Amino acid sequence: SQKIEQNSEALNIQEGKTATLTCNYTNYSPAYLQWYRQDPGRGPVFLLLIRENEKEKRKERLKVTFDTTLKQSLFHITASQPADSATYLCALLKNTDKLIFGTGTRLQVFP
Amino acid sequence: EAGVTQFPSHSVIEKGQTVTLRCDPISGHDNLYWYRRVMGKEIKFLLHFVKESKQDESGMPNNRFLAERTGGTYSTLKVQPAELEDSGVYFCASSQFEAAGSPLHFGNGTRLTVT
Repeated sequence: SQKIEQNSEALNIQEGKTATLTCNYTNYSPAYLQWYRQDPGRGPVFLLLIRENEKEKRKERLKVTFDTTLKQSLFHITASQPADSATYLCALLKNTDKLIFGTGTRLQVFP
Repeated sequence: EAGVTQFPSHSVIEKGQTVTLRCDPISGHDNLYWYRRVMGKEIKFLLHFVKESKQDESGMPNNRFLAERTGGTYSTLKVQPAELEDSGVYFCASSQFEAAGSPLHFGNGTRLTVT
């Protein structure tokens, strides 16, 4: 069955460092991959989308890579800040709008 | 612009009762989705409306769940009768375009507790 794995363990990093979150998938060939941020008690908020023919996408301090051979996406936050602390979700889809989510990784940035 | 709004934010009901969740999408968004997150699990797709039509309802768990979107504006999701395993957070999302890969705009969810 299709499976999306994100680190279930929380990622704790110091302010100013680069946070790297991993999203691995199996038994799936997505056309698109999206990353969302979710704060406690709130809904997911869209951050970035990357297509299968794109290797890398950037937006301000965020960078996403997509390796369809490794079946992996990496999500980087450079110069991390305490305000970046949240749960980050990756989500995959093919040529429909049915997103398949990972369980998310909680990021904690401490001063 | 106003975001996706969901009502109520919390609901506690007893097993066997009925609950109706409401979602108001962003104005002009034809696509409306329902998702659900049960404790400790990932967010899972329930169904997708395009305007008033159900495009995909493959994620609906069983016939105790009924979703409607009369008039193609707001949507309701009714659970009747509720079971303990229905507890979780129900998210609604909308998007402007049907094209694959369009970002979804989520509401803050309705936390449903069935006791």
